[in-house]
Amino acid sequence: SQKIEQNSEALNIQEGKTATLTCNYTNYSPAYLQWYRQDPGRGPVFLLLIRENEKEKRKERLKVTFDTTLKQSLFHITASQPADSATYLCASHSGGGADGLTFGKGTHLIIQP
Amino acid sequence: EAQVTQNPRYLITVTGKKLTVTCSQNMNHEYMSWYRQDPGLGLRQIYYSMNVEVTDKGDVPEGYKVSRKEKRNFPLILESPSPNQTSLYFCASSLSWAGKLPNYGYTFGSGTRLTVV
Repeated sequence: SQKIEQNSEALNIQEGKTATLTCNYTNYSPAYLQWYRQDPGRGPVFLLLIRENEKEKRKERLKVTFDTTLKQSLFHITASQPADSATYLCASHSGGGADGLTFGKGTHLIIQP
Repeated sequence: EAQVTQNPRYLITVTGKKLTVTCSQNMNHEYMSWYRQDPGLGLRQIYYSMNVEVTDKGDVPEGYKVSRKEKRNFPLILESPSPNQTSLYFCASSLSWAGKLPNYGYTFGSGTRLTVV
């Protein structure tokens, strides 16, 4: 079955450094990947979408890449700040009979001052 | 302000007592969806709707019902709640459905934390 996988371990990064999060997909070829931010007890907030024919997408301090050979997307936050601490979710179309987004379980990012 | 509004924010109920969680969006989005989020399992889709009067099952539909009589509203109904439906629920909307290109991100509500005792 189609899967989207993210490193479930928390990622600790020092303030000012670049944080890099990984999203891997298996058993299908999504036409796009989406990235969301989720704070505890709150709804996910859409950040970026990258299509399969796009190598890279940027928005302010955020950058997303999409490597169809490695079946992987990388999400970068440059000049990280403590306010960037949150869980980041990767998602794409389920690819099965039902419509909808399938989400990875998310990576918890902690930016240490 | 463009938003998805869910109510209530918190709900504690007893097994078997029917309840409805409301969801409303003010963005004229065609697509709406319900998810539940559980520790270790992540977000899982319950039901979705591509337009008025068009609804379909997601990955975990058992024990839930939905309706889409108006474009802006998409209530989630638990006819006979059970403790395994204790969860954090999110409603989401989007300009188009996930399988359609071009694609757009989802706008999520703030969530409803449901406890069934």
